[in-house]
Amino acid sequence: ILNVEQSPQSLHVQEGDSTNFTCSFPSSNFYALHWYRWETAKSPEALFVMTLNGDEKKKGRISATLNTKEGYSYLYIKGSQPEDSATYLCAFRSSNTGKLIFGQGTTLQVKP
Amino acid sequence: DAGVTQSPTHLIKTRGQHVTLRCSPISGHKSVSWYQQVLGQGPQFIFQYYEKEERGRGNFPDRFSARQFPNYSSELNVNALLLGDSALYLCASSGRTGTDTQYFGPGTRLTVL
Repeated sequence: ILNVEQSPQSLHVQEGDSTNFTCSFPSSNFYALHWYRWETAKSPEALFVMTLNGDEKKKGRISATLNTKEGYSYLYIKGSQPEDSATYLCAFRSSNTGKLIFGQGTTLQVKP
Repeated sequence: DAGVTQSPTHLIKTRGQHVTLRCSPISGHKSVSWYQQVLGQGPQFIFQYYEKEERGRGNFPDRFSARQFPNYSSELNVNALLLGDSALYLCASSGRTGTDTQYFGPGTRLTVL
């Protein structure tokens, strides 16, 4: 059974704080790791697709790193803003299947 | 360009009924995947179709079925609905079956009474 775990489950920060979340996934049969941001009443929005060990991706104030050997990825948000409030999902794709296996998400709330 | 569209937005059914959910992918995308999301959990993979063929199936009972049409739109069918089928059903499209980003629609909220 392939398991993807995210921590923490929820996070409350003040505007301007920097924060990070963790996604743990199986270290075998790795194919890709996806990050999504999901705001209430909207569609999940793709942030990053990461494929290579040591990958680092950046989009504005959000960045992500990937360690496929130990099976984890970090998502960083620098200087959080209220509009960053959302659930952040990671999804693992193994080389054996084409499906995405999602973690349960980290819900971020940024207070003004 | 239009994103992934799904219909209907909301649906209320009773136990034992069947339901059909519809999805139109982004123009040019040939792969459609279906996911079920219940509160507090991440989306769970149900099916993937690519070029009208089933490429993957998740751990769901045979009451769940799907198909993809020549225009790459897709339907998800659920028969003999159970209370536990109440969930948000998400459709995602992508260009290929590999590392391509999957783009999600807004989902269909199904409530089974």
